[in-house]
Amino acid sequence: DAGVIQSPRHEVTEMGQEVTLRCKPISGHDYLFWYRQTMMRGLELLIYFNNNVPIDDSGMPEDRFSAKMPNASFSTLKIQPSEPRDSAVYFCASSFHTGPNEQFFGPGTRLTVL
Amino acid sequence: AQSVSQHNHHVILSEAASLELGCNYSYGGTVNLFWYVQYPGQHLQLLLKYFSGDPLVKGIKGFEAEFIKSKFSFNLRKPSVQWSDTAEYFCAVNAQGGSYIPTFGRGTSLIVHP
Repeated sequence: DAGVIQSPRHEVTEMGQEVTLRCKPISGHDYLFWYRQTMMRGLELLIYFNNNVPIDDSGMPEDRFSAKMPNASFSTLKIQPSEPRDSAVYFCASSFHTGPNEQFFGPGTRLTVL
Repeated sequence: AQSVSQHNHHVILSEAASLELGCNYSYGGTVNLFWYVQYPGQHLQLLLKYFSGDPLVKGIKGFEAEFIKSKFSFNLRKPSVQWSDTAEYFCAVNAQGGSYIPTFGRGTSLIVHP
């Protein structure tokens, strides 16, 4: 398996633009997580899905952020409109039942909003 | 809710030095504990994990961690570090019997000089 795949790896955009980050989890994993990593706040859980259904989005910072998982092999995180304070590395992770099982992380998307 | 504290934000060592990174958590119940490593430019990957049994857990690349329940600690150790151990290290905890969603510490940046 190729692991968790994220695209793009780097994104530079201007304030006010829409940004869409993409994630393909490991096949067979039924949980998918979106994290944001910054120097100031560390690693933050934004939202997670179980069997494509959003379970907890309490970490989503504002209504400008939205996430979808239309099927078991694809998820998106959208920011509209983007702001400079959204600049961060966004990670997607998947796991097979949360349980005590480890999470497998993607390479991340480094977002810079000018 | 659980929380994780990593006291060392930055650690600088010379090769062959011994390493100990602190991790303390706050949660009254039974927990699962993890250490993840993030090498420069790469994704987070599991270093080791503790669920039950022997509180001294051995992981990859010569790392080990000891769970001390009375101290709510899960410190990471390595007797002799190498330049290739330069990375960011994250401690994480999730609650057994709960949602199993992990809480991550802020991370410790380790730089090993050759």
